[in-house]
Amino acid sequence: AQKVTQAQTEISVVEKEDVTLDCVYETRDTTYYLFWYKQPPSGELVFLIRRNSFDEQNEISGRYSWNFQKSTSSFNFTITASQVVDSAVYFCALSHSGNTPLVFGKGTRLSVIA
Amino acid sequence: DGGITQSPKYLFRKEGQNVTLSCEQNLNHDAMYWYRQDPGQGLRLIYYSQIVNDFQKGDIAEGYSVSREKKESFPLTVTSAQKNPTAFYLCASSSTGMADNEQFFGPGTRLTVL
Repeated sequence: AQKVTQAQTEISVVEKEDVTLDCVYETRDTTYYLFWYKQPPSGELVFLIRRNSFDEQNEISGRYSWNFQKSTSSFNFTITASQVVDSAVYFCALSHSGNTPLVFGKGTRLSVIA
Repeated sequence: DGGITQSPKYLFRKEGQNVTLSCEQNLNHDAMYWYRQDPGQGLRLIYYSQIVNDFQKGDIAEGYSVSREKKESFPLTVTSAQKNPTAFYLCASSSTGMADNEQFFGPGTRLTVL
């Protein structure tokens, strides 16, 4: 069975601080995909990144970066120099192929205070 | 513009009534999904469809029904058998390719039982 754990329920930081959101996953598949989504107050989920199990390279996109480590089954997300607009709920998710459902963690609510 | 539309945005239901939530996509995606989100929870899978005229139950399918008569449409009916239907419902779609298999989400429908 697949499982995603986001142990941090809520995080609060002051603007410009760096923050890391943790994600630990469980799967027996050798091929799988990991995702991060952002859910702003409007409710719609916004896709941030996809990673397949064969690509352990870290990725940076502007202030966002992701650290994928198969050895610890983790896919952590770091926001550098956080801004108020980063306030949202962030979900980590897992799937085993292109058209199968996602298994979501329970999400981490990030509040960035000005 | 390509995307996923859900209607209505807000829906109120009396106990004992069936209601249908609409989901339409013009992304030419083969796969479509329905998820339910409760406060403080991750998203849980209700039903999904990988091809027209075929669909599979998810983890919490009891009290729900779906149809997939057209590629673009995947309506969800919340029946009176669903014991606690008040929740936020999100529809998603994805391609079946391995290179671009992220799910895109609609804006959601918030259902309240009166």
